[in-house]
Amino acid sequence: DAKTTQPNSMESNEEEPVHLPCNHSTISGTDYIHWYRQLPSQGPEYVIHGLTSNVNNRMASLAIAEDRKSSTLILHRATLRDAAVYYCIPMEYGNKLVFGAGTILRVKS
Amino acid sequence: GAGVSQSPSNKVTEKGKDVELRCDPISGHTALYWYRQSLGQGLEFLIYFQGNSAPDKSGLPSDRFSAERTGGSVSTLTIQRTQQEDSAVYLCASSLTGSLNTEAFFGQGTRLTVV
Repeated sequence: DAKTTQPNSMESNEEEPVHLPCNHSTISGTDYIHWYRQLPSQGPEYVIHGLTSNVNNRMASLAIAEDRKSSTLILHRATLRDAAVYYCIPMEYGNKLVFGAGTILRVKS
Repeated sequence: GAGVSQSPSNKVTEKGKDVELRCDPISGHTALYWYRQSLGQGLEFLIYFQGNSAPDKSGLPSDRFSAERTGGSVSTLTIQRTQQEDSAVYLCASSLTGSLNTEAFFGQGTRLTVV
């Protein structure tokens, strides 16, 4: 499994964009990059995933470096509801989903 | 149902007793995971079922823990001779593999308290 490095915590102001970085320098060529988040007192929820190209969905955008050794999850306008632990998980198709420590995102009003 | 269902939502048991936790995955999902989350801690992988393949049991913390998945659907996690350190929220997730949409959906968890 590829090792990941994420900041322990980050802080953002409400209504501002947030860029959550993840380093995964040992990623294999077949690993997809998945992001999940866990809101307080809830189970994790899927945010986004991608392989090589940048991806957008209703929740966020995922920017993947050209060498795939890092990626950035972008929340375009943080809300208080976005306060959560964010997990970056490189995962090969069909393999198990294993969570690291993640980044605690705090959003200030 | 529309999502992953876990039961019971809460379970209090006496130390030394056996417990069974149930997970009903989303219909048609071939992958099923169990995780454990102790208070204030991260998600600890326990076991992974993928279709008809042998389960990946590499995360089970001891031989007191076991899980089965019957008919490729419902899964039961069994903890024998429970200990106080087993107290945690046990989360189940399922996903549809065989496609690029490998999003995992999580249940609300079972909060286990061993007294």
